[in-house]
Amino acid sequence: EDQVTQSPEALRLQEGESSSLNCSYTVSGLRGLFWYRQDPGKGPEFLFTLYSAGEEKEKERLKATLTKKESFLHITAPKPEDSATYLCAVAGTASKLTFGTGTRLQVTL
Amino acid sequence: EAEVAQSPRYKITEKSQAVAFWCDPISGHATLYWYRQILGQGPELLVQFQDESVVDDSQLPKDRFSAERLKGVDSTLKIQPAELGDSAMYLCASSEETQYFGPGTRLLVL
Repeated sequence: EDQVTQSPEALRLQEGESSSLNCSYTVSGLRGLFWYRQDPGKGPEFLFTLYSAGEEKEKERLKATLTKKESFLHITAPKPEDSATYLCAVAGTASKLTFGTGTRLQVTL
Repeated sequence: EAEVAQSPRYKITEKSQAVAFWCDPISGHATLYWYRQILGQGPELLVQFQDESVVDDSQLPKDRFSAERLKGVDSTLKIQPAELGDSAMYLCASSEETQYFGPGTRLLVL
């Protein structure tokens, strides 16, 4: 059974204070690892897909990396508008997404 | 930019009543998903359609939940009768490769 564990559960940063979110996973036949951002009361918004170990992708202040056991979402110099819950999910041989419980990020001035 | 549409956005109902949610996927997306998300948790798949056919409904509580996608485009998820534990966000997603989510329907069962 595919499993995803995200840490920390919650993270509070000051504006400009860089940090990383962790996603550890076990999956049979990784077809993709996905990062989504979710604002309160809204649906998840797609950020990145990573397919193989060593792959990296960037978007504005966010950078996602992948190893054989985990993925990191690095946030560089965050702003208050980056506050959200960040969800990690994996797709295995069955192609269905298995999500973690998310990391709630709060960025303060 | 094409988006997944869902309605209603909010629904309050009493237990034992019937409720229905509607989803219109991104045009051209053959695969459609319904998820349930309980507050503080990640989304969990309820049912997956490929065109009009159900691919995976292993986590759908079939005694009270039903889903259909009759023409292979839009879809309806129904709960009858609703129970207190059904209170959650119901999310629809569609995909070619990447899953894109709609805004969700927040259900409160009293």
